[in-house]
Amino acid sequence: DIVMTQSPFSLAVSEGEMVTINCKSSQSLLSSGNQKNYLAWYQQKPGQSPKLLIYYASTRQSGVPDRFIGSGSGTDFTLTISDVQAEDLADYYCLQHYSYPFTFGSGTKLEIK
Amino acid sequence: EVKLLESGGGLVQPGGSLRLSCAASGFTFTDFYMSWIRQPPGKAPEWLGVIRNKANGYTTEYNPSVKGRFTISRDNTQNILYLQMNTLRAEDTAIYYCAEGAGDYWGQGVMVTVSS
Repeated sequence: DIVMTQSPFSLAVSEGEMVTINCKSSQSLLSSGNQKNYLAWYQQKPGQSPKLLIYYASTRQSGVPDRFIGSGSGTDFTLTISDVQAEDLADYYCLQHYSYPFTFGSGTKLEIK
Repeated sequence: EVKLLESGGGLVQPGGSLRLSCAASGFTFTDFYMSWIRQPPGKAPEWLGVIRNKANGYTTEYNPSVKGRFTISRDNTQNILYLQMNTLRAEDTAIYYCAEGAGDYWGQGVMVTVSS
């Protein structure tokens, strides 16, 4: 199984600041066939189901604000949230869907000071 | 608008069985892979398995953690996804979600509690 190591476990920032969340996979998620990285990012607000933010490592899902930016390739990936808003209070997870079984990172809890 | 509505959760004794359903609407059901994902309280989600679309013969893949105990199926005439869970254990206690594809859209989830 591909292991997804996500960091940090939690972070607290003030509105307007920038945060970065990291995810490292134990194997490359880059498909040689189409040059796409099979890495997604999810946001889970309290009491809600996860919502897809980013797919193919850097493509924003429709309707997701452009302050959410995904980057990285191969085994190292980052979710950057610029100009953090109070509504961004949530848990964030990465998911590899390159090979079965798909696996999630352990999550990052974002708190707003 | 994609809508996924799970049902069938509840309290079950260890060793028991339960079947979850997921009613799908807002998209062409047969065109899409469908997944089941669970999330124990306070923990990260765990992918359980997927059933492929019509073009790929509705074949399945499972997480080894549940393979042999859980079965995913679909009723393509009624647009319903199923998860049959057998020989349930306390560690299967979680919120169970169905999702379109690998996780493009998720339902609201249904709680399954395995306890005596």
